[in-house]
Amino acid sequence: AQSVAQPEDQVKVAEGNPLTVKCTYSVSGNPYLFWYVQYPNRGLQFLLKYITGDNLVKGSYGFEAEFNKSQTSFHLKKPSALVSDSALYFCAVRDMRNGGFKTIFGAGTRLFVKA
Amino acid sequence: ETGVTQSPTHLIKTRGQQVTLRCSSQSGHNTVSWYQQALGQGPQFIFQYYREEENGRGNFPPRFSGLQFPNYSSELNVNALELDDSALYLCASSEGGASGGARDTQYFGPGTRLTVL
Repeated sequence: AQSVAQPEDQVKVAEGNPLTVKCTYSVSGNPYLFWYVQYPNRGLQFLLKYITGDNLVKGSYGFEAEFNKSQTSFHLKKPSALVSDSALYFCAVRDMRNGGFKTIFGAGTRLFVKA
Repeated sequence: ETGVTQSPTHLIKTRGQQVTLRCSSQSGHNTVSWYQQALGQGPQFIFQYYREEENGRGNFPPRFSGLQFPNYSSELNVNALELDDSALYLCASSEGGASGGARDTQYFGPGTRLTVL
């Protein structure tokens, strides 16, 4: 079955330190992977996606993600965290059955960045 | 901010009632998807519309139905509301296509918070 796992409910880092938010996936075929961020009482904002090509994907607000096929992972990273990065982060994968119209989201990881 | 808008922002209903939520897609987008996000969970796919036709559906009962209009705006209708329907309902639009636009980025609206008492 197609699925996404975010093994950490929350991640805490100090401002200025690097951050990593983990995501693993299980799909049949080539994965199309996405990261979104959600601020309180707001919809989801797109950060980046992996479709094909370079395993390191750069996105919005200084975020990047590394696609690792052998480990079936797509971890979100940022070299230097900001307090304003504190939010809820979702990893998602396209379910490629029946044309790929369905996006499956992980349960989310809450990031706390302390000043 | 994306160009996707949703109305109303908040809604309170009682069990058994019916509700209609509305979504206006981003300019140039012909595909709209609806998601239910319960408290503390990730969004769950309800269904997707492409050019006024439903072309994909998640594990939701038939009392969840939708429409897409010629201007690509959309409605989500829920009949016979249950307490568990309380959630944030998110609409997302994308450039899309009949095959689902698998590579497309979905742009989300701010959501409608539905409370069922």
